[in-house]
Amino acid sequence: SYEVTQPLSVSVALGQTARITCGGNNIYSKNVHWYQQRPGQAPVVVINRDTNRPSEIPDRFSGSNSGNTATLTITRAQVGDEADYYCQVWDSDYVVIGGGTKLTVL
Amino acid sequence: QITLKESGPTLVKPTQTLTLTCTFSGFSLSARAMGVGWIRQPPRKALEWLTLVYWDDDKRYSPSLKNRLTITQDTSKNQVVLTMTNMDPVDTATYFCAHTTGKRGYFDYWGHGTLVTVSS
Repeated sequence: SYEVTQPLSVSVALGQTARITCGGNNIYSKNVHWYQQRPGQAPVVVINRDTNRPSEIPDRFSGSNSGNTATLTITRAQVGDEADYYCQVWDSDYVVIGGGTKLTVL
Repeated sequence: QITLKESGPTLVKPTQTLTLTCTFSGFSLSARAMGVGWIRQPPRKALEWLTLVYWDDDKRYSPSLKNRLTITQDTSKNQVVLTMTNMDPVDTATYFCAHTTGKRGYFDYWGHGTLVTVSS
């Protein structure tokens, strides 16, 4: 079965750039979607199909996908960006969700 | 505006069957490209996808749980029902239902989730 791997945690200084990775075998061939989940809330999609950003999501959020790694990039990180982030792909007939990355803004 | 809301028991006993209902509005599951899925999250742990159903009654299940899961739709009531058999304390989690558009896509609208505790 296909697996995707995320770092447990990422820290970023206020105002700097955070990069959260999602690793998987030839993940470049899949559409990767990213969710943000704040404590006590439901997930919200911040990037879909590798690079598409919903209109309500700030343009500080962007995505890329190449080789064996997809990346969610958050520029000018804010305290409000502190959350858990999950990547999601499809493998054959089922959904695969990564283990999640906790983003801390210092 | 698309909204979804989960409902069902908050407490079930081990070995019992869990039945959760997702009631939605703002779309029809009989319309092409619509789908509803279930995702759960144990306390302080990661999201785990369970199952989903599409407008054409195409159903997908998590390989690790497919023997315990059943998803059904009632288009007349705008509801999707999740059934999970043989509940165990490790199944304690918040259960979310979510909307998806098109096959092999992502979940663009989510319910708030409902916490189900499995305990005797």
